[in-house]
Amino acid sequence: AQSVTQLDSQVPVFEEAPVELRCNYSSSVSVYLFWYVQYPNQGLQLLLKYLSGSTLVKGINGFEAEFNKSQTSFHLRKPSVHISDTAEYFCAVSAGKAGGFKTIFGAGTRLFVKA
Amino acid sequence: DAGITQSPRYKITETGRQVTLMCHQTWSHSYMFWYRQDLGHGLRLIYYSAAADITDKGEVPDGYVVSRSKTENFPLTLESATRSQTSVYFCASSAGRHTEAFFGQGTRLTVV
Repeated sequence: AQSVTQLDSQVPVFEEAPVELRCNYSSSVSVYLFWYVQYPNQGLQLLLKYLSGSTLVKGINGFEAEFNKSQTSFHLRKPSVHISDTAEYFCAVSAGKAGGFKTIFGAGTRLFVKA
Repeated sequence: DAGITQSPRYKITETGRQVTLMCHQTWSHSYMFWYRQDLGHGLRLIYYSAAADITDKGEVPDGYVVSRSKTENFPLTLESATRSQTSVYFCASSAGRHTEAFFGQGTRLTVV
């Protein structure tokens, strides 16, 4: 079975500073990886996804993530954050047929951008 | 309106009562999911469905029942609500097995 660990529950950062939100996964089969963002009182929306190909994936709002198979990681980065990036971010993994095509989410990382 | 909608948005119920949360999507997506969101746990999969009349358990299915007689609807029923089922419930749909999931606005359920 697959699992997802988000290593930081909260990340405070100043506006215009870079940020990295860490995500590690475990799975015995090939995986597909996602990052979602949740703004207050809203559902989740997709930031980016890795299905195959280039290990560096670019998403919306200036975010990017790098798939590292050897370290089983999929860390999310942004070179310069804005106040509006304050939200909760979820890493998710889908393990394909062997995993029943289920998508499993991490516990979330709350990003708080300070002025 | 196109999209995925959940109803009700807020619900308070008593312990032992049966409650049904509704989910409707207009895209004819094959896959639909129910998650619950609790502080410290993120989103946990309750049940999912790959197509009409095909459902399967997720991580935390106990105490819940689902059905999917039509592609567009995926109701979640709590047969006998317990306080531990107080949570925010999200329904989601996706067109394919590894494509983007689209989420509803959520239903905040309180069991007293």
